[in-house]
This record gives sequence, structure tokens and C-alpha cells, in this order.
Amino acid sequence: SYELTQPPSVSVSPGQTARITCSGDALPKKYAYWYQQKSGQAPVLVIYEDSKRPSGIPERFSGSSSGTMATLTISGAQVEDEADYYCYSTDSSGNHTGVFGGGTKLTVL
Amino acid sequence: QVQLVQSGAEVKKPGASVKVSCKASGYTFTGYYMHWVRQAPGQGLEWMGWINPNSGGTNYAQKFQGWVTMTRDTSISTAYMELSRLRSDDTAVYYCARERAVVGATAEYYFDYWGQGTLVTVSS
Repeated sequence: SYELTQPPSVSVSPGQTARITCSGDALPKKYAYWYQQKSGQAPVLVIYEDSKRPSGIPERFSGSSSGTMATLTISGAQVEDEADYYCYSTDSSGNHTGVFGGGTKLTVL
Repeated sequence: QVQLVQSGAEVKKPGASVKVSCKASGYTFTGYYMHWVRQAPGQGLEWMGWINPNSGGTNYAQKFQGWVTMTRDTSISTAYMELSRLRSDDTAVYYCARERAVVGATAEYYFDYWGQGTLVTVSS
């Protein structure tokens, strides 16, 4: 079955740039979506279609994709950005079958 | 405003079944696919499958085929997820999430609204 691979953890100091990667064989053909999940809360979409930012999401969040890797970048990370981040994509079957990456714990301190 | 309100926490014994509901409001229920996602304690998000509320068609992740059933009742704008033959490792928070399709792209979508989650605990 299709898999997306993320690093388990990323750590930065406040104000630094955090980069979280997501690799998957179908990413050259499929979009990546990124969700932020804070403890005890439902996930929130922060990036869609590789690089678009929903309204209400701070400009410091950006996304990109090249080849089999998508990247979520948080420029000038804030303490409040500390959370788990998950990439999501669909496989190439055309059946709407989806998969989440394993998640990355972002620590900002 | 769009809301997805899920049923309350459940405690089940191994081997039993559980049925979680997700009541939608604030939009046309039949116009958007509904997905189910679960999260075991301390673990990541796991996509389970979707239901098309208009047709009742479903697509389940391979892991859950034969084990999960997703249904809907359009008269009350509610989607259901039933998991059978529960085991202790099915203990998780189960979320419903509304699909927002990407215009002009095949099988591309994201989740724009989520339910609050339902904790299902499987314990003898």
C-alpha cells in the first residue's frame, strides 16, 4: 500500500525556519496537503495543493513540492507553532484512496 | 456555519462492534464526501475511508476492508462508521472529516471541516 514518510521530529529555536519533509512515490503526480494538530484538538489544514495557504493561516507557513518530496516550511517559527504536522495525499489509483504521513513533532524552544 | 457533531465516547469489550455518528449541519449533506480518520493514543492519523452521502458509495482503506462499514441517513444529515470485531488496538479517537474537492483535478481533495472526535475504548 502507498506510504508517505516524514521525519519523527524537528526542533528549532523561536524565530528560526523549520522545514518538515514528506516523501512519497506518487507526489510527482499528486498534491500534498499539510495538517497541524495541537494536543487534544482536531487537525487543522495549513497548506493545500502543495503550496496554497487557507485563509487565516499565517504567512510564515508555506509549502513546496519537487519530485517525490513535499516540504512544509515555517519561516520564523513561533512557540505557538509547536504541534504535530501531518502530510496527506492520495494514491495514483484514482479511487480517492488517501494516506497520512506518520507525522512530525515540531518543537519550538 | 458548517458543523460536524459526533456522538459521545464509547467503551466496548473485545469482539463487540461500535457505531459512531457524525451529524452535519450548515451545508448540503449530499454534496460532499465524508471521510473517517482515526488516531490511537500517542499515534498518528490513520485514514479509514469515505462515503459518498449522495449515492451511498464507499471506499475503504485496504486495512479496514471487511471490518468497517460506512453508511449515511440523508434524512437527518448523518454519517455513520461501524467497526466490528473490536480489539484493544482499536482504542482510538475517531474523526469524521468533510472532503473539499479540488476543482479541475481528479481525486484531489482535502478536509476542510472535522468533527470533534469520538473516543472509543476497547477493554475487557
